[in-house]
Amino acid sequence: DAGVTQSPTHLIKTRGQQVTLRCSPKSGHDTVSWYQQALGQGPQFIFQYYEEEERQRGNFPDRFSGHQFPNYSSELNVNALLLGDSALYLCASSSDRVGTEAFFGQGTRLTVV
Amino acid sequence: AQTVTQSQPEMSVQEAETVTLSCTYDTSENNYYLFWYKQPPSRQMILVIRQEAYKQQNATENRFSVNFQKAAKSFSLKISDSQLGDTAMYFCAFLLTLSSNTGKLIFGQGTTLQVKP
Repeated sequence: DAGVTQSPTHLIKTRGQQVTLRCSPKSGHDTVSWYQQALGQGPQFIFQYYEEEERQRGNFPDRFSGHQFPNYSSELNVNALLLGDSALYLCASSSDRVGTEAFFGQGTRLTVV
Repeated sequence: AQTVTQSQPEMSVQEAETVTLSCTYDTSENNYYLFWYKQPPSRQMILVIRQEAYKQQNATENRFSVNFQKAAKSFSLKISDSQLGDTAMYFCAFLLTLSSNTGKLIFGQGTTLQVKP
């Protein structure tokens, strides 16, 4: 079992650009959630995808969008990157929408310069 | 709104000793889960232990146990026989189990634990 896999592991982008991060959930999981973790802080919930729809959203601007594919994998897109978007982006998957047992990937480290 | 507070930014313990990490939370709801996650330098968030709010018995997983005080809204983690591999950042997290609030984990600020040889 490969667990939750995220790509890429590291990424450097220029302010104003757009970025796409990818996540493959653990086998048997159909729900994916995304989190942003600033350096030295706890993760902040961005949104959750289930049945290819955004089911719940945290306090993030519309520049943050996502998608879930029929195979349950997911993408996180961030437009018009700001320096403050530099963070570790974590993907978590679960086999139920409630998420009582969420498994996390190793994250994508995004640096905006 | 739910909040999670970890008041100990950093802690250290000698190998083989016991350490307790503190966490308090605030909610007016009754149906929720509490978690402790470990994040080593590899960055992957690993579930250490989970507690369902309606269960009075404290959860235990090998060397890890919790002290869940629902009335006081306190959820501390005790690590017994600390090992060098326990060195990591530890996060307390809250999950409200309402159908309108699915899957949203609320994390504390974290406690960095260093186990010294």
